[in-house]
Amino acid sequence: GAVVSQHPSWVICKSGTSVKIECRSLDFQATTMFWYRQFPKQSLMLMATSNEGSKATYEQGVEKDKFLINHASLTLSTLTVTSAHPEDSSFYICSASIGVGLHEQFFGPGTRLTVL
Amino acid sequence: AQTVTQSQPEMSVQEAETVTLSCTYDTSESDYYLFWYKQPPSRQMILVIRQEAYKQQNATENRFSVNFQKAAKSFSLKISDSQLGDAAMYFCAYRSPPGYGGSQGNLIFGKGTKLSVKP
Repeated sequence: GAVVSQHPSWVICKSGTSVKIECRSLDFQATTMFWYRQFPKQSLMLMATSNEGSKATYEQGVEKDKFLINHASLTLSTLTVTSAHPEDSSFYICSASIGVGLHEQFFGPGTRLTVL
Repeated sequence: AQTVTQSQPEMSVQEAETVTLSCTYDTSESDYYLFWYKQPPSRQMILVIRQEAYKQQNATENRFSVNFQKAAKSFSLKISDSQLGDAAMYFCAYRSPPGYGGSQGNLIFGKGTKLSVKP
């Protein structure tokens, strides 16, 4: 199957700093990428949907200015957590899709963010 | 809005036995897609099985099969001959048709069922 990578896999930062997480589709071009957030022992919650070359679509309740998403190419999307605070500590997962419908979403391995 | 409900927070099965995980969903759409994902302790999401709503035949992938009841909006997962490696969180997920209601194909997940396999 297709491979999606995320970098870094784990990051620890101080409160007030910004952190960038990269999501790459390694062997296919992704028309759409999705960013999810998962708190411990909970489900995945969609944060935003990004399409290459256009602005991301954010879910209700997700702060656009805090979670900056850039989909610069068909193989790369980045999530920047600006001015991170301890409550932003979570597991962030990206997925990439070739198409819609039954087309499989390929998930990255996730990034664990810890804000001190 | 669509919702997905998994009513079993935890389930346990003896190795080599069969277990069924429940999932119900709510939607007003007639065409959609349903998925079961597995999340082991590594937290990598792995697709287990998928089903198109317009297909009446239940999907099967080796030891994994589903019981899709469209009228009841039920989509249960049956794992046969359970193995130790099946222990994980299992998420049921719903996906709208492309373009419907502005959907871009994102998945809506249930809260998950933690499956334990006893040797």
